[in-house]
Amino acid sequence: GAVVSQHPSWVICKSGTSVKIECRSLDFQATTMFWYRQFPKQSLMLMATSNEGSKATYEQGVEKDKFLINHASLTLSTLTVTSAHPEDSSFYICSARARGAYNEQFFGPGTRLTVL
Amino acid sequence: EDKVVQSPLSLVVHEGDTVTLNCSYEVTNFRSLLWYKQEKKAPTFLFMLTSSGIEKKSGRLSSILDKKELFSILNITATQTGDSAVYLCAGGINDMRFGAGTRLTVKP
Repeated sequence: GAVVSQHPSWVICKSGTSVKIECRSLDFQATTMFWYRQFPKQSLMLMATSNEGSKATYEQGVEKDKFLINHASLTLSTLTVTSAHPEDSSFYICSARARGAYNEQFFGPGTRLTVL
Repeated sequence: EDKVVQSPLSLVVHEGDTVTLNCSYEVTNFRSLLWYKQEKKAPTFLFMLTSSGIEKKSGRLSSILDKKELFSILNITATQTGDSAVYLCAGGINDMRFGAGTRLTVKP
């Protein structure tokens, strides 16, 4: 149980294009999903928290117009990196917390984004 | 500002050794502390601790939380090469703050 998938697992794009990353909870309903970013050999940095059906809450310093988050259903959240630049290259990981769960978050496998 | 600090940042041991990883936290809104193991990709959940003094155990791994002193430890006994990973702790309520992690290397 508690499986979270992400798609794609890796993506390479040109500077200026937009990239969408999907995060799905496969066997549970996720009322809350979190998006993290991780640079090499660094820890997870929370970018935003999204609750199903409402607007995402972004962490300080994270541009909401650049990182668009949609949590349209209890099993799907998407992160769109708009007008990507090389400095956006990173490992993006989502996690999901089940309805009624206390605090455990289950992580997806991550998406490696490389912007040329 | 919320802060989660892990120590040591890296550790190299030999198979069979016992290790203790530390996590201290200063988090404004705290409900639980989570431990994760991260190998090549996404972190995998190890423990969730909410109450002080109650040890959680899973095989060779165990963890305990001290809410008065604001820290937690993760113990791994009889380490194996498969334990090599980065161990992350996180504290908070809704949005969790992660520490920088401890990179554990277990040599044969």
